[in-house]
Amino acid sequence: DAKTTQPTSMDCAEGRAANLPCNHSTISGNEYVYWYRQIHSQGPQYIIHGLKNNETNEMASLIITEDRKSSTLILPHATLRDTAVYYCIVRAPRNTDKLIFGTGTRLQVFP
Amino acid sequence: NAGVTQTPKFQVLKTGQSMTLQCAQDMNHEYMSWYRQDPGMGLRLIHYSVGAGITDQGEVPNGYNVSRSTTEDFPLRLLSAAPSQTSVYFCASRLRTSGGASEQFFGPGTRLTVL
Repeated sequence: DAKTTQPTSMDCAEGRAANLPCNHSTISGNEYVYWYRQIHSQGPQYIIHGLKNNETNEMASLIITEDRKSSTLILPHATLRDTAVYYCIVRAPRNTDKLIFGTGTRLQVFP
Repeated sequence: NAGVTQTPKFQVLKTGQSMTLQCAQDMNHEYMSWYRQDPGMGLRLIHYSVGAGITDQGEVPNGYNVSRSTTEDFPLRLLSAAPSQTSVYFCASRLRTSGGASEQFFGPGTRLTVL
């Protein structure tokens, strides 16, 4: 499964959009891009996933480039409660139960 | 639905002791997994199960046993606790889907300290 690269940390002002990038240049055709986040010491929380097309749900939007080598998670109006570590994970369907969490991006939302 | 529940929330063991971490889900999910998270690190997969009676090893299985006798429960057993097993343990479950890709639901974690 493809390796992912994320910035170590990012800051975002409350109320502004948070754009979290992820590089996955070795992604294969059947691999999905997943985003999870972990707030403080809680269990990870699923945010969104996608294969080719851009996806949107009540939490966030996922933009995947046409060549699928990178993606961006967008939190449209960040709040203080969005402060967390965000993990970008690329997995094939057969490996969906074997998620590989790297060190993620620590997003700090400030007032 | 309670979702994924884990007990206990906290546990302190002495080296050599054994114990079982409990995990239960009430969403009728076929797939369940156990992860551990060491300080400042991402989660690592210990064992997983694709259904009752079926388990397999993950990335760091040594020192742990699992069994899956029912869909709802997936206990993790530490056979002889070691200080290196001090960690936060998370259980997760997900629904089987036709396409294979679906979200995992995580429990709140068990914080284990081995002295």
